[in-house]
Amino acid sequence: DQQVKQNSPSLSVQEGRISILNCDYTNSMFDYFLWYKKYPAEGPTFLISISSIKDKNEDGRFTVFLNKSAKHLSLHIVPSQPGDSAVYFCAASAEYGNKLVFGAGTILRVKS
Amino acid sequence: NAGVTQTPKFQVLKTGQSMTLQCAQDMNHNSMYWYRQDPGMGLRLIYYSASEGTTDKGEVPNGYNVSRLNKREFSLRLESAAPSQTSVYFCASSENPRDNQPQHFGDGTRLSIL
Repeated sequence: DQQVKQNSPSLSVQEGRISILNCDYTNSMFDYFLWYKKYPAEGPTFLISISSIKDKNEDGRFTVFLNKSAKHLSLHIVPSQPGDSAVYFCAASAEYGNKLVFGAGTILRVKS
Repeated sequence: NAGVTQTPKFQVLKTGQSMTLQCAQDMNHNSMYWYRQDPGMGLRLIYYSASEGTTDKGEVPNGYNVSRLNKREFSLRLESAAPSQTSVYFCASSENPRDNQPQHFGDGTRLSIL
């Protein structure tokens, strides 16, 4: 039973355009959500997070949107750059950031 | 600026052998975690330690043991390795388990069990 789902295994975007990565969750107890980026042979790197009391959080080119009623969050990257090409994981927690539950990841390819 | 350091980076074992994966963090974080990642899946939590002296099971603890040696170090032990434990193992740490803080990850240990 996957509690966090990333339904798009891959996404291809042109450099300079917007990348939108999506994530759905089923557990209504989740109250903290994160996005991680992962390059091959490296560990996941924290990108941005949002708590359930907010519906948007912005950090430079990265914005995370949370829709609690739909149990959906998305990561927007604007403008996309070739260096953004990586696997992006959505994660959620119901315990103050402990016990993260991860989605399966989305491979983003930004074409120059 | 090491962050979270995992050793070894690669290891091949035979079924039934034992192995300890080492993890150390230099960020003075209170909490530490062990995950495994299998192909086509997200990371799954094996064990975590909210603070020095405490450990708790995660989603997939069977076949593993952990030791929080001190605040810096958190090891994962496979007592009798099985092919199903072939995976990439990641260690992570975070500052405070009671305050939403992101976890910071090491670069992983790639473990193959024949």
